[in-house]
Amino acid sequence: EVRLVESGGGLVQPGGSLRLSCAASGFTFSSYSMSWVRQAPGKGLEWLSYISTDSSTIDYADSVKGRFTISRDNAKNSLSLQINSLRDEDTAVYYCARDEGWAFDFWGQGTTLTVSS
Amino acid sequence: QSALTQPASVSGSPGQSITVSCTGTSSDVGNYDFVSWYQQHPGRAPKLIIYEVTKWPSGVSNRFSGSKSGNTASLTLSGLQAEDEADYYCCSYAGGRTWVFGGGTKLTVL
Repeated sequence: EVRLVESGGGLVQPGGSLRLSCAASGFTFSSYSMSWVRQAPGKGLEWLSYISTDSSTIDYADSVKGRFTISRDNAKNSLSLQINSLRDEDTAVYYCARDEGWAFDFWGQGTTLTVSS
Repeated sequence: QSALTQPASVSGSPGQSITVSCTGTSSDVGNYDFVSWYQQHPGRAPKLIIYEVTKWPSGVSNRFSGSKSGNTASLTLSGLQAEDEADYYCCSYAGGRTWVFGGGTKLTVL
């Protein structure tokens, strides 16, 4: 069974940093590209970042470029998202999603990040 | 990377059909046949229901169907059931390994 479990969310002050993680199981993690997607409270989905199987290709949404860093460790079946200079508008549920090629076929349950003083 | 445009809400009675539109630009929807649709129930993670404009993932009901014309993609749901009440999001590849989602459409089954 494919399983993606996000962790690392919490309450953080504006200007702070946080690292989100996604633990993958039930499939060959190293064979799939991955993405991060977030959803602000009561809002729609926003694609944030993509990483290829071997980390050679990485891309970001313009809205987060320069503050967010995606990475993966295929030996540990793990995906990460480093978020710096946190802003109120970063408050959201953050999902990791498996990229089956041209769509996101499996999603985790999400981890909640709240940015507030 | 502007969000795709979807109607905020649609509604229909059980057994009826509804269509949700998703309008993008020639840089995303109009340029690639990589439009996908997701269903999201409250408090749950999104679920893939259509990919590459018209294809169904394994296990997804064929009551869902997708199409595209120019810069607009559409999701049609036939034989509405109470369990279909959810939010629906379109998503398009936008080049360079970037993606853009629609704003979402709330489906109400009357």
